[in-house]
Amino acid sequence: KAGVTQTPRYLIKTRGQQVTLSCSPISGHRSVSWYQQTPGQGLQFLFEYFSETQRNKGNFPGRFSGRQFSNSRSEMNVSTLELGDSALYLCASSLWDRDGYTFGSGTRLTVV
Amino acid sequence: AQSVTQLDSQVPVFEEAPVELRCNYSSSVSVYLFWYVQYPNQGLQLLLKYLSGSTLVESINGFEAEFNKSQTSFHLRKPSVHISDTAEYFCAVSDLGTGGYQKVTFGIGTKLQVIP
Repeated sequence: KAGVTQTPRYLIKTRGQQVTLSCSPISGHRSVSWYQQTPGQGLQFLFEYFSETQRNKGNFPGRFSGRQFSNSRSEMNVSTLELGDSALYLCASSLWDRDGYTFGSGTRLTVV
Repeated sequence: AQSVTQLDSQVPVFEEAPVELRCNYSSSVSVYLFWYVQYPNQGLQLLLKYLSGSTLVESINGFEAEFNKSQTSFHLRKPSVHISDTAEYFCAVSDLGTGGYQKVTFGIGTKLQVIP
């Protein structure tokens, strides 16, 4: 079966712009989580969606937002980009908490 | 709040030597424990997990991890490493967050470098 698909793989944006990242989970997985990965900070939790509802939220500013659609696909949006937003953004889906995550390959965002 | 500590940021080891990657977490009340591996330019892949029962869990490629409740640890071991094991390894803990749902906390990662 298809894995978790994230698009685009790479993105270069300018400070002040906004960006939307997309994630298609494994078919049947209703939980989608987003993480920001940077070399010094490791994986920082952004938010989790389950059946179109945000279930958990990390400690990121309101510039970071997300949503989930009825087909479980999810998007995250970052507005007013800052240089510090440059990172690998990972999406992960799961069927049950005990199963662990299946991760996508990530979207590498570079803000210049 | 849960915290996960991976004390070693980098571990160099010679090929065919044993290795242990350490992981400690702060709260052991009803947790699920995971190890993930990340190869360059890829997402993370689940390596193994502990849910309940036997405290020793194994992966298909020779890694094993032991759940130690009293020490709140979940160290990852392999008796003989290969060049292909060079990657970054993340320990993760899932427990009930403040909102009443499971929340996953990751360690900062340990880079395993296998030296030929």
